[in-house]
Amino acid sequence: TQLLEQSPQFLSIQEGENLTVYCNSSSVFSSLQWYRQEPGEGPVLLVTVVTGGEVKKLKRLTFQFGDARKDSSLHITAAQPGDTGLYLCAGADNNAGNMLTFGGGTRLMVKP
Amino acid sequence: DVKVTQSSRYLVKRTGEKVFLECVQDMDHENMFWYRQDPGLGLRLIYFSYDVKMKEKGDIPEGYSVSREKKERFSLILESASTNQTSMYLCASGLAAANTGELFFGEGSRLTVL
Repeated sequence: TQLLEQSPQFLSIQEGENLTVYCNSSSVFSSLQWYRQEPGEGPVLLVTVVTGGEVKKLKRLTFQFGDARKDSSLHITAAQPGDTGLYLCAGADNNAGNMLTFGGGTRLMVKP
Repeated sequence: DVKVTQSSRYLVKRTGEKVFLECVQDMDHENMFWYRQDPGLGLRLIYFSYDVKMKEKGDIPEGYSVSREKKERFSLILESASTNQTSMYLCASGLAAANTGELFFGEGSRLTVL
């Protein structure tokens, strides 16, 4: 069974601070996705990373896939209250029909 | 834009009642999924379907059944609701041909069983 561990589970920071969320596994994934979920809503896909070492940027969010495709990180620069939400990583395995394994999530609160 | 619509955002049911949760997607996706989301437990897969009339058990199928009579619609059924089925239920869809497994989620249905 593949497992994805996210850290930290909870993060409360002030507006303007930087933060990094980690997603780690002992398993190799074909690709990895990051979702954001706001309270009372479903998760929304932010990005997919496919290649080991890949870095993708989405405005103030930087996503990195580890060289060995076992881990990923999400870095937010100058966090804003609108970044508040639950961040989920999910790994896909081509050998398992691309079924997703979800991490437990990181709940981020950005205070004004 | 892909739209996944769940029929009910909030439901309150009594123990033993039958509950239907409906999900419709408008992007002709082959794959559809039902998850439940609970604090501290993350997203857990209940059932999924790769095609019309096909269904596969996920990690926690006990107490649930599903129906996929049309490609766009995937229903989750609780035959006899119990209090431990109080949860947020999330439907998702995705392309079979996508080699990255990306999912598009509905807004969720929060079920409370009294």
